[in-house]
Amino acid sequence: DAKTTQPTSMDCAEGRAANLPCNHSTISGNEYVYWYRQIHSQGPQYIIHGLKNNETNEMASLIITEDRKSSTLILPHATLRDTAVYYCIVSPEGVYNQGGKLIFGQGTELSVKP
Amino acid sequence: SQTIHQWPATLVQPVGSPLSLECTVEGTSNPNLYWYRQAAGRGLQLLFYSVGIGQISSEVPQNLSASRPQDRQFILSSKKLLLSDSGFYLCAWGRGVGHEQYFGPGTRLTVT
Repeated sequence: DAKTTQPTSMDCAEGRAANLPCNHSTISGNEYVYWYRQIHSQGPQYIIHGLKNNETNEMASLIITEDRKSSTLILPHATLRDTAVYYCIVSPEGVYNQGGKLIFGQGTELSVKP
Repeated sequence: SQTIHQWPATLVQPVGSPLSLECTVEGTSNPNLYWYRQAAGRGLQLLFYSVGIGQISSEVPQNLSASRPQDRQFILSSKKLLLSDSGFYLCAWGRGVGHEQYFGPGTRLTVT
């Protein structure tokens, strides 16, 4: 069952902000939003996660709407090395999800162009 | 720091042959361990996960099996490979609380 909806592909100019949307209208109160990315022929890489509040780290910012039904991952200054498939995942944490399982969807293929 | 190893990096096997892929983690104890498969042009599919030695949960019924003989060792096996087993196999580890998972370099398996 698809819990998230993402655009299949997006383009972004190098140096500009990349804004990747994700819809998760059926998210439950105990579910977090996680973002991963996968560069071609490599394993996925954890980016960021959040529950209600906006989050920022050295890689990206995560903006979650007040109703938590959608979120946006922001790469503030995209580079060519940010070209990858970006996965938005919702998953409960702790006792609600023994084993910490992640269910990956199809993701968004982001192409950063010079 | 923690590192995760997978081998081999690439593998070509005939249909009906056995399979053994190994994954080991260094620098952490009692990790959760995961096996994923990615078919060409497709998303990642969770195959197995383990929360401790000898504890294996299967997500998708198929001709693959997994074992965890040691705390930081996770093995993916098959007695007889099918053409549909071709794909990119990824091992990952996590701390169990939360879903930050760290992936290995993967094994690209081609069944001929």
